[in-house]
Amino acid sequence: SQQGEEDPQALSIQEGENATMNCSYKTSINNLQWYRQNSGRGLVHLILIRSNEREKHSGRLRVTLDTSKKSSSLLITASRAADTASYFCATDARDSNYQLIWGAGTKLIIKP
Amino acid sequence: GAGVSQSPSNKVTEKGKDVELRCDPISGHTALYWYRQSLGQGLEFLIYFQGNSAPDKSGLPSDRFSAERTGGSVSTLTIQRTQQEDSAVYLCASRSTGLSRSYNEQFFGPGTRLTVL
Repeated sequence: SQQGEEDPQALSIQEGENATMNCSYKTSINNLQWYRQNSGRGLVHLILIRSNEREKHSGRLRVTLDTSKKSSSLLITASRAADTASYFCATDARDSNYQLIWGAGTKLIIKP
Repeated sequence: GAGVSQSPSNKVTEKGKDVELRCDPISGHTALYWYRQSLGQGLEFLIYFQGNSAPDKSGLPSDRFSAERTGGSVSTLTIQRTQQEDSAVYLCASRSTGLSRSYNEQFFGPGTRLTVL
């Protein structure tokens, strides 16, 4: 069953602006991961945040995790045209067999 | 290899025919996953192999779908008597199990785009 839900479903911003995407989930987790997908093909892992972490940075990416609200956000600062892609959150649920449960994704479009 | 590879990259078939999709995971990765993704949608889990354990087939949508993993490496997803609703991108991912759960990252192949006419 689908656990993660991203919002918004689609986001269109100007190059240089910041983009924020949110993810909500339902069960206790070991970690939450964000992935990027270009052109409907393979996904690329961006960042993983563990359940005992609240914030994590990687380059222009900032991820927050609020386990009390069962939600996470992905912030991309100073967006570039190359950031145009779909972004998915995936949760490693505490009672899962190492499977990730995926959200439906946010489609991000960066306008030049 | 350096990454997960899948073949073919595109497959067009006629309704009712059988197809085989191949996944070659990263060397040494004992965990392998198959997903399906319809246009504009999220990932739908199909099947999960972990070492020599019995695979988790809970995501297979019908008995027309089956998968094998030979020698703990290459995997083949077979779809028998294909239907138009089987049209999708089929993604394979592998994961190392030598690390702690805190590093449960999956590495994806480029996918096979299946079109059933």
